[in-house]
Amino acid sequence: SYELTQPPSVSVSPGQTATITCSGDKMRDKFASWYQQKPGQSPVVVIYQDNKRPSGIPERFSGSNSGNTATLTISGTQAMDEADYFCQVWDSSTVVFGGGSKLTVL
Amino acid sequence: QITLKESGPTLVKPTQTLTLTCTFSGFSLTTSGVGVGWIRQPPGKALELLALIYWDDDKRYGPSLMRRVTITKDTSKNQVVLRMTNMDPADTGTYYCAQIRAMPGSWFAPWGQGTLVTVSS
Repeated sequence: SYELTQPPSVSVSPGQTATITCSGDKMRDKFASWYQQKPGQSPVVVIYQDNKRPSGIPERFSGSNSGNTATLTISGTQAMDEADYFCQVWDSSTVVFGGGSKLTVL
Repeated sequence: QITLKESGPTLVKPTQTLTLTCTFSGFSLTTSGVGVGWIRQPPGKALELLALIYWDDDKRYGPSLMRRVTITKDTSKNQVVLRMTNMDPADTGTYYCAQIRAMPGSWFAPWGQGTLVTVSS
């Protein structure tokens, strides 16, 4: 089955840029979505179709996808962005999630 | 406003069958392109698709659990029901339902609040 690999943890200083990667075979051929999940809360989509932001998601969230890696970038990271982030794609007519990355804003 | 809410038992015994209901509002599962999925999350771990069902009764299952999971819909009640057989303590976790729309690279939004299911004797 298809696997998505994320770094378990990412650290960033406030105001800096956070980069979270999601790797999978031929990722460029798939659309990636990204979810933010804060402690005790349900996931919220922050990026869909590689680089689109839903209404209400701050502009500092952006996404890209090339080669075997999709990337979530948070520019000017704020303390409120500290959360778990999960990537998601479709493969073989089903949904696959990455293992998740914990973003710590130090 | 679209809302979804999960309901069902909070505690089940090993080998029992779990039945969860997702009751939603703000949309209809008779509308073309609309679907509802069930996703679970063991404590401190990743998300995992269990199953999803579309307006036309097309169903998709997560590969690791498809032999144990059944998903159905009741459009008159605005509900989607998940059944999972032969429950094990490893199935303990939070179970979410969420809306999905059939389009390239479709995603889940919004999500319900989730319901915590514990499997223990």
